[in-house]
Amino acid sequence: GQQLNQSPQSMFIQEGEDVSMNCTSSSIFNTWLWYKQEPGEGPVLLIALYKAGELTSNGRLTAQFGITRKDSFLNISASIPSDVGIYFCAGKIYNQGGKLIFGQGTELSVKP
Amino acid sequence: GAGVSQSPRYKVAKRGQDVALRCDPISGHVSLFWYQQALGQGPEFLTYFQNEAQLDKSGLPSDRFFAERPEGSVSTLKIQRTQQEDSAVYLCASSLKRDTAQPQHFGDGTRLSIL
Repeated sequence: GQQLNQSPQSMFIQEGEDVSMNCTSSSIFNTWLWYKQEPGEGPVLLIALYKAGELTSNGRLTAQFGITRKDSFLNISASIPSDVGIYFCAGKIYNQGGKLIFGQGTELSVKP
Repeated sequence: GAGVSQSPRYKVAKRGQDVALRCDPISGHVSLFWYQQALGQGPEFLTYFQNEAQLDKSGLPSDRFFAERPEGSVSTLKIQRTQQEDSAVYLCASSLKRDTAQPQHFGDGTRLSIL
């Protein structure tokens, strides 16, 4: 099936550092979403992107919808311990209804 | 309630048993989605409802999986004759309008273990 390639798979960083992760696809997406998931919980929406080239911020988080519509990145600035979790990109392909295609996730660990 | 509610949170069943998983979407949300999340993986789409109509069931892995939303609100995902490979977290999500650009909000899932 369709897949998103998300990288890196895991990151171990020091508190205060900036973080960057990205997703690429062989298909064109018309929506990109970034979610965070913590153990035992469902994914929580962080940022939604709807237009190619769109750059959106939510506090210390910034995400961009790639111009080619086949990629997106998420940046976290000045990381804190509560940023720990698994971050997923997800996208919707035009004319395939509302189903989301998820990346494999980036597991973030923050050392105080 | 304020968010998507799923029950039970945990379900253990013996291989061959039937199970039913329930999803209560956010009140007023038109669209409802089911996803399966294997350990260490991202969620994978199973099926999608708009009100009571099941518009896409292309992700259901076999005919043992069946979903319904008879009144356009609560949904049930049923798995018949469960197999060990059905062990996963089953996530439900809902979104407000028919517009597929609306973001999906997820419940905390049902963790299904098949012995």
